[in-house]
Amino acid sequence: QLQLQESGPGLVKPSETLSLTCTVSGGSISSSSYYWGWIRQPPGKGLEWIGSIYYSGTTYYNPSLKSRVTISVDTSKNQVSLKLNSVTAADTAMYYCARHATATTYERLDSWGLGTLVTVSS
Amino acid sequence: DIVMTQSPDSLAVSLGERVTINCKSSHPVLYSSNNKNSLGWYQQKPGLPPKLLIYWASTRESGVPDRFSGSGSGTDFTLTISNLQAEDVAVYYCHQYYSIPFTFGQGTRLEIK
Repeated sequence: QLQLQESGPGLVKPSETLSLTCTVSGGSISSSSYYWGWIRQPPGKGLEWIGSIYYSGTTYYNPSLKSRVTISVDTSKNQVSLKLNSVTAADTAMYYCARHATATTYERLDSWGLGTLVTVSS
Repeated sequence: DIVMTQSPDSLAVSLGERVTINCKSSHPVLYSSNNKNSLGWYQQKPGLPPKLLIYWASTRESGVPDRFSGSGSGTDFTLTISNLQAEDVAVYYCHQYYSIPFTFGQGTRLEIK
């Protein structure tokens, strides 16, 4: 059974870089031909797509965050990573990784991790 | 960006009744390659991640009870829950995966009356 687990620091200082990892188990990132995405949700608010990546490294980003975001994949560790630099309090959110249902990013998100809460504060 | 607008923002319905949640997109989301609408519905319960209920506007995800159904085309879509159950209390989101950036509706909070 596919499982996604986000991990990383729960507290990041303003202007620093937020770094998160999504570890995939129950399936291989490199052989299963899916896109993998990051989505965030500020406390009490709605969902925002951050970006998605294919195991080959092809990425798509939300233009509103593109200048600050890097998503990468490590097939040897079966992990997808998110880096968001120059963070502010507005980046405080629950961060989820999720799988797109097929080998295209233009697809529904059918499996989600439980999420990890990141607070930006000094 | 395609703006997704849900209505209502919240509603309270009695057990066993029918629930209708609407979602309007600012641009058609019809995917020409398969003639299907790139529209999904998710259910989010407190403290949990969103759960996919419906995709391609009307296809029910495996394991989702058949009291959940989706309809609509073009820019107007509806999630219907028939025979409301207590476990359906949640926030519901629509989601377009037609164009980047993928966007979600603001959410509709469903409670029991």
